Amino acid sequence: QSVLSQPPSASGTPGQRVTISCSGTSFNIGKNFVSWYQQLPGKAPRLLIYADVQWPSGVPDRFSGSKSGTSASLAINGLQSEDEADYYCAAWDDNFAQLAFGGGTKLTVL
Amino acid sequence: QVLLQQSGPGLVKPSQTLSLSCAISGDSVSTNDAAWSWIRQSPSRGLEWLGRTYFRSRWHFEYATSMRGRLTLHPDTSQNRLSLQLTSVKPEDTAVYYCARWMHAQSFFDVWGQGALVTVSP
Repeated sequence: QSVLSQPPSASGTPGQRVTISCSGTSFNIGKNFVSWYQQLPGKAPRLLIYADVQWPSGVPDRFSGSKSGTSASLAINGLQSEDEADYYCAAWDDNFAQLAFGGGTKLTVL
Repeated sequence: QVLLQQSGPGLVKPSQTLSLSCAISGDSVSTNDAAWSWIRQSPSRGLEWLGRTYFRSRWHFEYATSMRGRLTLHPDTSQNRLSLQLTSVKPEDTAVYYCARWMHAQSFFDVWGQGALVTVSP
């Protein structure tokens, strides 16, 4: 069982807005930066969002991150077929003194 | 451009030691700005952080609770690479193993190795 909780699946149609939640505690999300990763089948994860809300260069601004208290969210605006992938959140956990990942959310574009 | 190139055996027998290597180009294993981590992924466990090492006046090593006692990370400054050794492997250690660079200041993995499938089986 993952320290950070994500819904196992999400879906949307092209052009829609989809959000993926990531729930944690005061020891991880409540205290430390959250990052988000996209993983296509057979590939390594790719950084999408860091420091809760920042984009690395090369990531479309259709992707956005937010955080409130012990929860974080990833939003995807204008959903596209190539967004179909697995999405993971991550944050350092001060209680366990280790990095925590969410269990991942499989996004399906209908 | 920072690249991480992984190498190592794809098959290990139970109770043996798994050894993987991660060659770093475009950065230094002893950089003060980052840590070098190993992460694995399996269908049953998802993404699992295993440990990291970084240099701040001296080498620091941090391991996941589940890995303590079995996992050792070795930074090699002469060859600019990071190695992983996991002892007494079990079938449940079967996974895709990744090395990745962790940027300390804002806490994220920005560069990943290509991944290496390791199967633990007789």
